[in-house]
Amino acid sequence: GAGVSQSPSNKVTEKGKDVELRCDPISGHTALYWYRQSLGQGLEFLIYFQGNSAPDKSGLPSDRFSAERTGGSVSTLTIQRTQQEDSAVYLCASSSAGFTQYFGPGTRLTVL
Amino acid sequence: ELKVEQNPLFLSMQEGKNYTIYCNYSTTSDRLYWYRQDPGKSLESLFVLLSNGAVKQEGRLMASLDTKARLSTLHITAAVHDLSATYFCAGLYSGAGSYQLTFGKGTKLSVIP
Repeated sequence: GAGVSQSPSNKVTEKGKDVELRCDPISGHTALYWYRQSLGQGLEFLIYFQGNSAPDKSGLPSDRFSAERTGGSVSTLTIQRTQQEDSAVYLCASSSAGFTQYFGPGTRLTVL
Repeated sequence: ELKVEQNPLFLSMQEGKNYTIYCNYSTTSDRLYWYRQDPGKSLESLFVLLSNGAVKQEGRLMASLDTKARLSTLHITAAVHDLSATYFCAGLYSGAGSYQLTFGKGTKLSVIP
């Protein structure tokens, strides 16, 4: 079946602009995660959604980052007033709760 | 807070040789995962280890878990070039209903003829 999909695959933006990254999880997976991968910090957890429960936002690095998940499926990660240190690959994953997380191809964000 | 350390970070090995990648974690982790990442690609799940003494094998790769030592190993047998990739171990932290993966820094494996 279809895996996790993310769009866009690449995004180049100017410092100070807002960006939205999209994730479509595997159908039927109730849990959705966002991670960030950068050379300096490795792979970092950002946020976790499970069904209709309140999300775990403990990994978001600043209040410029936010995410929502509509209808228990598609998720959007929004970064406001982007900074150069936000440049990274943003990975989305989905799973049945607590089980193996399957990752999407990622969105490579470059902030100029 | 769960911390995960992998070593080595870089590994260059000849085809046909055996080697082991080590993954230490700092506190109790519910599960231990191994992922593979090819350059420019996403993460591919290899193994999930659930309990002490668990051993999983797929082809030339074998993963094991020792929860008392807080150690997982990924053993490579008779390496081939196709195994060249970056390998990550990750511990699952489940607290307050959240499930976060904490990753090691990865081991970049290069298998040379």
